[in-house]
This record gives sequence, C-alpha cells and structure tokens, in this order.
Amino acid sequence: EAGVAQSPRYKIIEKRQSVAFWCNPISGHATLYWYQQILGQGPKLLIQFQNNGVVDDSQLPKDRFSAERLKGVDSTLKIQPAKLEDSAVYLCASSLGQGGIGYTFGSGTRLTVV
Amino acid sequence: QKEVEQDPGPLSVPEGAIVSLNCTYSNSAFQYFMWYRQYSRKGPELLMYTYSSGNKEDGRFTAQVDKSSKYISLFIRDSQPSDSATYLCAMSEDDYKLSFGAGTTVTVRA
Repeated sequence: EAGVAQSPRYKIIEKRQSVAFWCNPISGHATLYWYQQILGQGPKLLIQFQNNGVVDDSQLPKDRFSAERLKGVDSTLKIQPAKLEDSAVYLCASSLGQGGIGYTFGSGTRLTVV
Repeated sequence: QKEVEQDPGPLSVPEGAIVSLNCTYSNSAFQYFMWYRQYSRKGPELLMYTYSSGNKEDGRFTAQVDKSSKYISLFIRDSQPSDSATYLCAMSEDDYKLSFGAGTTVTVRA
C-alpha cells in the first residue's frame, strides 16, 4: 500500500510571498487532515476534510491560509502572504474512516520563511 | 494551560534500559489515546492505540491510561538504538481530531 505523498519536501520563501503544498492520500481514504508542526511542538490540526467537504477548520488562520480537496482525492494547502511564524513542517494525514487507529501521516513539507 | 502536557526530556538511556514516557491532559472528554513515534524528518507513525483506562501491551511496548488521574504512560522495555526517536502522545474526543503533546526525544546509547 503506497503511503501519503507530499510535495515539495522543502521550501524556502521570503515573508509576504505565497506558497502551496500538495498532498495525495492513501487510495480510498475518505478523511484527509493538514497539521502544522512548529519546531519543538506537537502537530496542530489546521483542517479536516471528509471526502471533499470541510469538517473542521476552526484552527486555520483563514486570513492567510486556504485549503481545498477537489474531487475528494488530493489536496492543496496555500499560504498567502507568508509570515515568519509560519515556518514549520506541514504534515498531511489520511484515514479510511474512524481516525486514530487508521491515521497515516506523510513525511511533511518543511517550510522556512525568511 | 495546554490541553496536553508531555514530559519534555530529552531522555538518554543505555541499551536494554526501560524507557518511561508520560503525558497529562485537562480535557475529560478525551476517550482515545495514542502514542506516535517520529524519526527525524519523517511523519509520526502510530505505535499504540487505546480506548478508555487500562493497560495495553504490544511486544516491548506497554501503554497505560488512567482517566481518573488524566494521565497516560508509555513504557519501552529492553530499549534498542533503533528506538531513538521523538515520542508524541496524542488524544482525541471523537477519534478524528488529534491533540498532541510536544514530544519527548529519546536517545538509546549502544
């Protein structure tokens, strides 16, 4: 079974620029999550999709972050404009249904904002 | 107060030692408790998953949950250098959204 694919692996941008991350979940997984992991902290949920609908985006900074999951498969997360405090690893995860036991995380995209 | 507090570490132990990791939490609605292992530059991978209070054992790993004290633990017996990683506790009310601790970095010395 192929894992959760994310790209790019690394990205360095200047503050106020925009950036986009891509995630392809495990085939058949209905639920997709984006987490932000700042250095030295645990991951924090940004947004949860069920198929192509948003279930929870309460912790997504909507003035600068946006995410979509077209056709209920892959997903993109965008930041525009980026701030220094957005430097983090952005992790995508997917699950078939009920979350915890079936979560699979990707390796993440490491974003550095300078 | 953070929702999930995890002993910060880091921990350095000799090979063969028992590793003890702990988390406390404040949200009494948490029902699902997990431990993840995260190697450098990799995503977290699930180690243990428990529902409600009690113990669960899987090979060298034992997870304990005490809901009355809002306290969970992970024990690693006969630790190996390959166990060197960051360990994250995670909890959930609904088995979807996970709330993570900050992680404890463990180094097992050969």
